[in-house]
Amino acid sequence: GQQLNQSPQSMFIQEGEDVSMNCTSSSIFNTWLWYKQDPGEGPVLLIALYKAGELTSNGRLTAQFGITRKDSFLNISASIPSDVGIYFCAGQLQTGANNLFFGTGTRLTVIP
Amino acid sequence: DSGVTQTPKHLITATGQRVTLRCSPRSGDLSVYWYQQSLDQGLQFLIQYYNGEERAKGNILERFSAQQFPDLHSELNLSSLELGDSALYFCASSKGGEREQFFGPGTRLTVL
Repeated sequence: GQQLNQSPQSMFIQEGEDVSMNCTSSSIFNTWLWYKQDPGEGPVLLIALYKAGELTSNGRLTAQFGITRKDSFLNISASIPSDVGIYFCAGQLQTGANNLFFGTGTRLTVIP
Repeated sequence: DSGVTQTPKHLITATGQRVTLRCSPRSGDLSVYWYQQSLDQGLQFLIQYYNGEERAKGNILERFSAQQFPDLHSELNLSSLELGDSALYFCASSKGGEREQFFGPGTRLTVL
């Protein structure tokens, strides 16, 4: 299947700091989605991106669809303890299939 | 709460056995997707159904099968279970052509 490389693998940050993570692929995607997963729970959709160059915000979260269509970025501003979890990027190919390919995840730890 | 429900939450069984996982999509959603999440493989797409018909197949083993019923709920059948089948199994749903997928809480399968 498609390989989505997500970085960093893990982050330890102080409460109040900003966070950046990214996802890259060797293939072109027509949709990028960002999910957060808490332990033992299902992924929760945070942001959806549909056009190259698109910048979308959801509260303190901002994500961008890369111009090349092969990457996406997620930023979290002014982190708080409840931001702890694993963040996954997911993409859909241009072939028309709806299934998602997931990145390897970024584990975020926020130190109060 | 995504509106997607999955049962059971946990399942413990022995090698060689067969199990059935159940998923009810969000109200109005016609597409159901099944994903497997394991430590070594991450989140992997298995299969998609749309309005009762198989739409796409991913890395689904021949020992696994799924179906979607007229009321749109779906079942994932896993047979001749092996130790390596132990994983979290997620169901997601979408309206159909929409690209956003909403995940259920998952079923944790443990094969002993």
